[in-house]
Amino acid sequence: EAGVAQSPRYKIIEKRQSVAFWCNPISGHATLYWYQQILGQGPKLLIQFQNNGVVDDSQLPKDRFSAERLKGVDSTLKIQPAKLEDSAVYLCASSSHRPGAEAFFGQGTRLTVV
Amino acid sequence: AQSVAQPEDQVNVAEGNPLTVKCTYSVSGNPYLFWYVQYPNRGLQFLLKYITGDNLVKGSYGFEAEFNKSQTSFHLKKPSALVSDSALYFCAVRPTFENTGTASKLTFGTGTRLQVTL
Repeated sequence: EAGVAQSPRYKIIEKRQSVAFWCNPISGHATLYWYQQILGQGPKLLIQFQNNGVVDDSQLPKDRFSAERLKGVDSTLKIQPAKLEDSAVYLCASSSHRPGAEAFFGQGTRLTVV
Repeated sequence: AQSVAQPEDQVNVAEGNPLTVKCTYSVSGNPYLFWYVQYPNRGLQFLLKYITGDNLVKGSYGFEAEFNKSQTSFHLKKPSALVSDSALYFCAVRPTFENTGTASKLTFGTGTRLQVTL
C-alpha cells in the first residue's frame, strides 16, 4: 500500500512570497489532515477534510492560509503572503472513516521563510 | 476543548532498562488514544492505539501502553529499551463520535524526547 505523498520536501522562500504544498493521501482514505509542526513543538492541526468538505479549520490563519481538496482526493495548502513565523514542517496525513482509525503521515515539507 | 499533556520534555534511560513515557488527556466523552514516533527529518509513524476493550494495548517494536480511565492517562511502556528507540514520541487523542461517519479532530501533545544510552 502506497503511503501519503507530499511535495516538495524542502522549500525556502522570502517573506511576503507565496508557496503551495501538495498532498496525495492513501487511496480510499476519506479524511485528510494538514498539520503545522514548529521546531520543538507538537503538530498543530490546521485543517481537516472529510472527502472534499471541511470538518475543522479553527486554527487555520485564514487571512494568509488556504487549503482545498478537490474531488476528495489530492489536497493543496497555500500560504500567501508568508511570514517568518510560518517556518515549520507541514505534515499531511490521511485516515479511513472507520471509528478509531489511525492517521498515516507523509514525510512533510520543511518550509524556511527568510 | 480536547488536549494532551506530556509532562516530560525528555526521558533518559539505559539500554536494557524499562522505559515509560507519560501522557494524560482531556476530552469530552470516551477517547481514542494513539502513540506516534518521529525520527529526525521524518514524518510521524504510528505505534499503537486504544479504541476499546483491554486497557493494555500492544504495538510495534515491543511497545505497549496502558489506558487508565480514572487517571485519564495513556502511558507508553517498553520492558527493555534499545538505543534505536531514541526518538521523539507523541501522544494523541480524538473523541469518539459514534454513528456520524465523520472522523473527529486529532490533537497531539508537545512530544517527549526519549534518549537511550549504552
